[in-house]
Formats: sequence, C-alpha cells, structure tokens
Amino acid sequence: KAGVTQTPRYLIKTRGQQVTLSCSPISGHRSVSWYQQTPGQGLQFLFEYFSETQRNKGNFPGRFSGRQFSNSRSEMNVSTLELGDSALYLCASSSQGTGSYEQYFGPGTRLTVT
Amino acid sequence: KQEVTQIPAALSVPEGENLVLNCSFTDSAIYNLQWFRQDPGKGLTSLLLIQSSQREQTSGRLNASLDKSSGRSTLYIAASQPGDSATYLCAVRDSGNTPLVFGKGTRLSVIA
Repeated sequence: KAGVTQTPRYLIKTRGQQVTLSCSPISGHRSVSWYQQTPGQGLQFLFEYFSETQRNKGNFPGRFSGRQFSNSRSEMNVSTLELGDSALYLCASSSQGTGSYEQYFGPGTRLTVT
Repeated sequence: KQEVTQIPAALSVPEGENLVLNCSFTDSAIYNLQWFRQDPGKGLTSLLLIQSSQREQTSGRLNASLDKSSGRSTLYIAASQPGDSATYLCAVRDSGNTPLVFGKGTRLSVIA
C-alpha cells in the first residue's frame, strides 16, 4: 500500500502571497489531519477532515483553511503569507474503521516565506 | 487541556547501550498513545501505538510501556545503534475524535 503523499515537497513564497498544499492519504483512510512544525513551537495541530467535513480545528488564524474531496484527498491553503508561516507542514491519515486511530504521516512540505 | 512533556530534550549515548526515553501527560483519561521517530527534515514514522487498555507494546528492539494512572509512558531501546539517531516524539489522543497532542521530542544521538 502506498503511504501518505504530499505535494509539493518544497515551496518558496514571498510575504502576502497565498499557497496551496496537497495531501493524498493512504488508500481507504478517510481521516486527514494537518500539522505545522516549527523549531520553536514543535508540532501544532491545524485541522482534521473526515468524510469531507472539518471535524477538529486548532488555534490558527482564519488565513489557514482546508478542504477534503470525495476521494479523501485534502488541500490546505494559507492566504496572505507571513514570515512566521515558514515551517514544515505535515499531513497524516488514519483509518477509523479498526478503531485504533493510528496516524501515518507524509514526508511534509517545507514552506519558506521570504 | 492535555499537555505532553518529554525529558530529556536531548540525549547522547555510546553504541550498544540500552536507553529509556520518557513521556508524561497531564490528563490520564487518554484513548491511546503513539511513539514516532523523525529524521531531520523528514516526516514522522510511527513506531508503536498503545491503546489505553494496554500496558506495553513491542516491536523488535523497541518496547513502549504505558502507565495511565501516573500519566507516563517510556520507550525502551535495546542495544542502540547509530541508525537509531533521530528525534523521538510522543503523542497522546484523548478520545477517538480528537487530534494527537505532541511533546517537543527527545533528540537522540548514538555515537559509534
């Protein structure tokens, strides 16, 4: 089974621009979560989608948004980029059916804002 | 609000040594706990998942234990190797529908 994939792997943007990141979960997984990782704050939860509905949301400003498609693929969007948005963005998927809720992570997208 | 702490933040050991990484959490009513490994600049690799009803899980040279009443988990690595060098992260899920809460990790260096 293929793992979680994320595209692109690296991005360089300037302040004020917007960016869209993509995540394809493991086949059969319906839950997709997004995390931001920075050296200072560690891993922080952004949001989780399950069956195209946002189920949980972290404490991030409205500039951060996401969505999930019917095939469980997910995108997250950051508008009006700030220097502090530079981070590794990680996507994770899990299968809810077995009840274990074990999360599997993708390789991440490294976003640099200049 | 659940908080997860990992001590120490960094650890350096000689090859072959057995070692223990610690994780503590503030709210003992958890659903499960997961240990991850992260290599520099990479994503997270799931190592072990312990459900709230379990006391330990083993995979190869790794053994993770869970003591919910005291809010602690330990990851035991036997006969450490340089390839074990990475950051190890502990994460707790409070219920089936809530997100993982992560500790800041322990950066492990195994010296040959």
